[in-house]
Parts: sequence; structure tokens; C-alpha cells
Amino acid sequence: NAGVTQTPKFRVLKTGQSMTLLCAQDMNHEYMYWYRQDPGMGLRLIHYSVGEGTTAKGEVPDGYNVSRLKKQNFLLGLESAAPSQTSVYFCASSYQEDEQFFGPGTRLTVL
Amino acid sequence: KNEVEQSPQNLTAQEGEFITINCSYSVGISALHWLQQHPGGGIVSLFMLSSGKKKHGRLIATINIQEKHSSLHITASHPRDSAVYICAVKVFYTDKLIFGTGTRLQVFP
Repeated sequence: NAGVTQTPKFRVLKTGQSMTLLCAQDMNHEYMYWYRQDPGMGLRLIHYSVGEGTTAKGEVPDGYNVSRLKKQNFLLGLESAAPSQTSVYFCASSYQEDEQFFGPGTRLTVL
Repeated sequence: KNEVEQSPQNLTAQEGEFITINCSYSVGISALHWLQQHPGGGIVSLFMLSSGKKKHGRLIATINIQEKHSSLHITASHPRDSAVYICAVKVFYTDKLIFGTGTRLQVFP
């Protein structure tokens, strides 16, 4: 089992560009999450999903959109990237509200 | 004031020492998680607990719900334990975790 994978691992964008981060899990988990991690701050929840076709806002959703068309995939989109979105992004999944399994992270730089 | 506070922020130890990392929270919770983030960035879940104590190898996690406090202990610390340890709480009636800022542990040989 691959667990939780994230694509890409690194990306550099210019302000105003768009991109999509892909998270995939092969553990048949219902719950999936997108977090961002910034220096000196704890992980912060951007959006999450409690099942295929459902999404909900987390703590810092502005500037991001998500989709969960298939149970195993959770996509995070940036429509118009801003330097404030420079961060490390982690995806996680869990079976209901149990322990979360994290992906390796995506380091995004917006110039 | 953050809803989840960890102490200390940084910790250095000699190999073999007993380590304690503390987590205090100010909200009602249904569970508390301890996570480990290695220098390479990967995050691994160590424990999820809602009461009492759990042990896995050299790691022990305790929680006191009344005092809103949890501790993570590492016995016989080893350089490979060097990492950032993160506490996170699941607030009642939500699907979300609130994370502390982490404790950076360095264990020297």
C-alpha cells in the first residue's frame, strides 16, 4: 500500500497563476484533509471532506477550492496564487475520526 | 492565546535521558493526538487518546481531562528520536483538529 501520496512534491508559481494539488489514498478512508504548515505556526486546516462528493471549509479556506469526486482522491486548487500562499501543504486521511495518516507534503513557493 | 500550547518549544537532551513534552489546551475535546514530524518533513501519528495512558515501545502518552493537560514521555532517548513533536486536539462536536506549534527535540549521542 502506498498510503497517502501527494503530487507534486515541489512547485514554484508566479502570482496570479493557478494550480491543483492532488492527494490520493489507498486505505479506503472516508475522511480527507488539506492542511498548510507555516513557520512558527501549527498546522492549519484549509478544507476537509467526510466522504465522496462532500467538502467543508476549515480554518483558512480563503483562496482555495477543493473537490472530492472519487473517494480516494482529494484535490486542492489555487485559482489565483498569492505570495501569502507560499507554504508546505499536507494532505491527510482517516477512517472516520481516528488517527490521521499524512502525505509527504508539497512545498509551494509563490513569487 | 492559542487554544493548544506546548512546552517547551525546544528541548535538547543527551542520549539515554528521560524526556517529557507537555501539552495544555483550553477547549473541550473528544480526543488528543500526538504526532511526530521528522527533519525530512514527514508527519506520523504516534498516539490518539481520550483518557488515561497509552504506551508504545519507549513512548508513553498520558492525558488528564480535568486538568486539560497531556504529556508525552520518551524513555531512554536516542538520537533517532530527534524530531518535532506535535500535539493536536479534536474539539467536541467538530470534525477538525487544532494543532500546537510543536516541540523541537534534539538528542545528542
